[in-house]
Amino acid sequence: AQSVAQPEDQVNVAEGNPLTVKCTYSVSGNPYLFWYVQYPNRGLQFLLKYITGDNLVKGSYGFEAEFNKSQTSFHLKKPSALVSDSALYFCAVRDMGAAGNKLTFGGGTRVLVKP
Amino acid sequence: DAGVTQSPTHLIKTRGQQVTLRCSPKSGHDTVSWYQQALGQGPQFIFQYYEEEERQRGNFPDRFSGHQFPNYSSELNVNALLLGDSALYLCASSFANTEAFFGQGTRLTVV
Repeated sequence: AQSVAQPEDQVNVAEGNPLTVKCTYSVSGNPYLFWYVQYPNRGLQFLLKYITGDNLVKGSYGFEAEFNKSQTSFHLKKPSALVSDSALYFCAVRDMGAAGNKLTFGGGTRVLVKP
Repeated sequence: DAGVTQSPTHLIKTRGQQVTLRCSPKSGHDTVSWYQQALGQGPQFIFQYYEEEERQRGNFPDRFSGHQFPNYSSELNVNALLLGDSALYLCASSFANTEAFFGQGTRLTVV
């Protein structure tokens, strides 16, 4: 079974400050890891993914994420947050060894960037 | 490219009724997955269709069924609706091991 934990329901940050959203995962095989963002009354928008290779992956809108195998973590980061980054963020995992590409999501972290 | 499109965007149904939701995948994608997102929660995997067959299924009762057509579009059917079925239903499409792209969702309210 695979699972994802996002330990913070909400993260508050001032505009211009660095933003970090935490994610830990559990899979039986090697993980594919993803971050998605959701704005009010909208679907999920893909930000970035980790499959193999460099542990630091860069994505859309200045976001990046660091894969740490020993800590089974995949934290999302942005060096300088914008008010427009305020949204709901979801971490998701897929088991590379499993048939199909079912995603398991965390419960989400609401990010509030204050001007 | 219109991306993943879902219809309708909103609908209201009465307990016990049946509902059909529709999804057209992103151009070039052959796999369609359906997710249920209850208010304040992360999306939960319902099932996935590939080559017109159900390839994977989550922990949802048989009241939830689906179909994939030769053009890769898909339907989600829910029978005997319960109040607890009220949620945002998301369709996602993908190709091979690429990332999934999501539609805007269908907001289902059961009264």
